[in-house]
Amino acid sequence: GAVVSQHPSRVICKSGTSVKIECRSLDFQATTMFWYRQFPKKSLMLMATSNEGSKATYEQGVEKDKFLINHASLTLSTLTVTSAHPEDSSFYICSAIRDGGPYEQYFGPGTRLTVT
Amino acid sequence: KQEVTQIPAALSVPEGENLVLNCSFTDSAIYNLQWFRQDPGKGLTSLLLIQSSQREQTSGRLNASLDKSSGRSTLYIAASQPGDSATYLCAVRSGGSYIPTFGRGTSLIVHP
Repeated sequence: GAVVSQHPSRVICKSGTSVKIECRSLDFQATTMFWYRQFPKKSLMLMATSNEGSKATYEQGVEKDKFLINHASLTLSTLTVTSAHPEDSSFYICSAIRDGGPYEQYFGPGTRLTVT
Repeated sequence: KQEVTQIPAALSVPEGENLVLNCSFTDSAIYNLQWFRQDPGKGLTSLLLIQSSQREQTSGRLNASLDKSSGRSTLYIAASQPGDSATYLCAVRSGGSYIPTFGRGTSLIVHP
């Protein structure tokens, strides 16, 4: 159990368009999910904490109007990159914490975004 | 603010060696510590989770220890194999927070 999926796994889009990435917990409920960004050969950078039914909490320096997060159900959080630019190209990974503990993080497989 | 350091940053060893990867953290008031593996271009796979009340966890050839007082954890890999080649990340969750702090990882290459 404890599987997290992400869709799409890869996406290429043109500058100025918006892209939506989905993160689903397949076999457990997750009130809390996290969105990370990872640059080549770098560690994970936490972008925001997504909480079901409430607004996401963004880390300092992350533009909330550019990276829209919606956590509409206990199994789904979405990240929308609005008006994407080439500098938004990156590997985006989500993780989820199973409700009820032990607060172990389960990660999705990641989404490779390329903005041309 | 919690800071997590992993040493070494990179490691290359011949197959069969026993390995120790190190993770240190500055604030000992932790809730748990988790070791992950990441293959290139992939997400993270959880290897071991150690709660603050535990001293170690074992899974197959992997053993992770935790010494809160000294702010250290080690991941021991026995009889390494080429398939163990990956980046290993340590993440510490401090008490009272859902948000874990990650180290920068140790990139491991096990050559035949």
